[in-house]
Amino acid sequence: EVQLVESGGGLIQPGGSLRLSCAASGFTVSSEYMSWVRQAPGKGLEWVSIIYSGGSTYYADSVKGRFTISRDNSKNTLYLQMNSLRAEDTAVYYCARVGKGIAAAGDYWGQGTLVTVSS
Amino acid sequence: DIQMTQSPSSLSASVGDRVTITCRASQSISTYLNWYQQKPGKAPKLLIYAASSLQTGVPSRFSGSGSGTDFTLTISSLQPEDFATYYCQQSYSARYTFGQGTKLEIK
Repeated sequence: EVQLVESGGGLIQPGGSLRLSCAASGFTVSSEYMSWVRQAPGKGLEWVSIIYSGGSTYYADSVKGRFTISRDNSKNTLYLQMNSLRAEDTAVYYCARVGKGIAAAGDYWGQGTLVTVSS
Repeated sequence: DIQMTQSPSSLSASVGDRVTITCRASQSISTYLNWYQQKPGKAPKLLIYAASSLQTGVPSRFSGSGSGTDFTLTISSLQPEDFATYYCQQSYSARYTFGQGTKLEIK
């Protein structure tokens, strides 16, 4: 059974750093495309970042240069390193497995982890 | 980045109604278009991928169509569990942008 479990969220001051984790089971993270999506309180979904199976990474303009997506193949875990955090980064962060090619859609999602950036 | 615009932003309907939600892309995205359903406090659920392919386990009352820049999600006969927020997402470019969402409410 495919499962994704996020962790690492919490309250952090503006300018601080946080690393989110997404532990996967039932499939191999390094063989798939994996993505982070966030949702600010009461707002819509915002795509944040993706890592392809080949290792290429892409970011939304709103986080480029501050966030880094990565994976640990030995732990079958996806990460999102978030630096220079701002109040507008406050959101629930979801990780998702993404299909490939024309089926590039998030078919499995974690439960989400809340990040609150506030002094 | 490719901008995705959904209409309407909100919609009131009754059980049994046929409902259509529209999504427009700022440039052609072929059929790289996905639809998700999200209920409060829950992760999004994939309904349709590649514009018209039904995800495994999703009821057949959901259907998608379109190509290029204009797409639709249709629910043929609304059920009580369908009241939720719906999002389109393009996967044509490397930055998979979402539409702003359509909230489907009970009339």
